Amino acid sequence: GAGVSQSPRYKVAKRGQDVALRCDPISGHVSLFWYQQALGQGPEFLTYFQNEAQLDKSGLPSDRFFAERPEGSVSTLKIQRTQQEDSAVYLCASSLEDSTEAFFGQGTRLTVV
Amino acid sequence: QKEVEQNSGPLSVPEGAIASLNCTYSDRVSQSFFWYRQYSGKSPELIMSIYSNGDKEDGRFTAQLNKASQYVSLLIRDSQPSDSATYLCAASGGYQKVTFGTGTKLQVIP
Repeated sequence: GAGVSQSPRYKVAKRGQDVALRCDPISGHVSLFWYQQALGQGPEFLTYFQNEAQLDKSGLPSDRFFAERPEGSVSTLKIQRTQQEDSAVYLCASSLEDSTEAFFGQGTRLTVV
Repeated sequence: QKEVEQNSGPLSVPEGAIASLNCTYSDRVSQSFFWYRQYSGKSPELIMSIYSNGDKEDGRFTAQLNKASQYVSLLIRDSQPSDSATYLCAASGGYQKVTFGTGTKLQVIP
């Protein structure tokens, strides 16, 4: 596709439920990022992949958060046993190799009730 | 202290005026700097990138970088109501992790 695609756009989860958020990057983009954005805040870095390798996961807030990109293309961010504080917009971005210009998907708005 | 600092605003300017948005960063190894525009309920959209000291112009937008002062700015000339959005400043260090500020809300008054 022409841009970064994320699904679902909206997700309502009951507290304690597991969720999986999908990101389909721009074709040919080697780097993929996940960010969390709370209302009124800037995006906060979660994790970064170069191809299938997860090179930085320092921003994942707890061990309930897990991300993978097994074939170096589509990525999934999984949140286990969701809590209310996980409610946020989860943004995925991708960029070409050797470029830090990242392009964002439309995000997934997660609401934990 | 956050790595990238911005005044949250709102910054209000009349239509046709110059809007000046400012940003400071704390990590001296930062090499790449970006300005993103984010409309309410939408995802960030890259509008400018700058890598070396000085000015970079693109249409009505000018990005300015001063590495000695660790300062980045964005000027928007001939501001339009459609420019009303939150502007996010971002910096990247030696590898690809990009750190964002909290954003400055710009309001252009018709």
